[in-house]
Amino acid sequence: AQSVTQPDIHITVSEGASLELRCNYSYGATPYLFWYVQSPGQGLQLLLKYFSGDTLVQGIKGFEAEFKRSQSSFNLRKPSVHWSDAAEYFCAVASSGSARQLTFGSGTQLTVLP
Amino acid sequence: KAGVTQTPRYLIKTRGQQVTLSCSPISGHRSVSWYQQTPGQGLQFLFEYFSETQRNKGNFPGRFSGRQFSNSRSEMNVSTLELGDSALYLCASSSTGAGNEQFFGPGTRLTVL
Repeated sequence: AQSVTQPDIHITVSEGASLELRCNYSYGATPYLFWYVQSPGQGLQLLLKYFSGDTLVQGIKGFEAEFKRSQSSFNLRKPSVHWSDAAEYFCAVASSGSARQLTFGSGTQLTVLP
Repeated sequence: KAGVTQTPRYLIKTRGQQVTLSCSPISGHRSVSWYQQTPGQGLQFLFEYFSETQRNKGNFPGRFSGRQFSNSRSEMNVSTLELGDSALYLCASSSTGAGNEQFFGPGTRLTVL
């Protein structure tokens, strides 16, 4: 069975600092990988996705993620965090056969200090 | 295009009652998936419907059911509500084609008293 681990429950960074959120997955074949963001009281918004090809993917709001097969990781990065980035971030994996059944990590809550 | 809409946004029920939640997907999207989000269990897949047929189902009891109509709108039903069913229920829609992303609605917050 596929699974996703987000080892950091809560991360605090200062505005303007760089950010890296960790995600490790377990899946036998090449997975479909996603990062979603959720603001309080809102649904999930897709930041970026990886299916194949270039292992460094660019997303919205200045986010990027790198797929590393050897480490089973798909870490999310942003070079300079803005106060509006404060939210909860979820990494998710889907099997290549049915990308509509997502398995989510437990999420990382991001706090941004002024 | 309008996004995924879910109604109602908030719902309060008592134990033993049943509830029906509604989801209208983005126009043209034929796949609708449902997820339950709780502080303890996180985000969990409930089921997916495509062309009025349930295509995938998560590990939930039979009290949780759903259906999809010919216009792709979907409903999910929870019977004999338990306190543990209190959660945010999220609906997501996607177009056909493997790997297409899911677009999520704002969710329905269900509270069971």
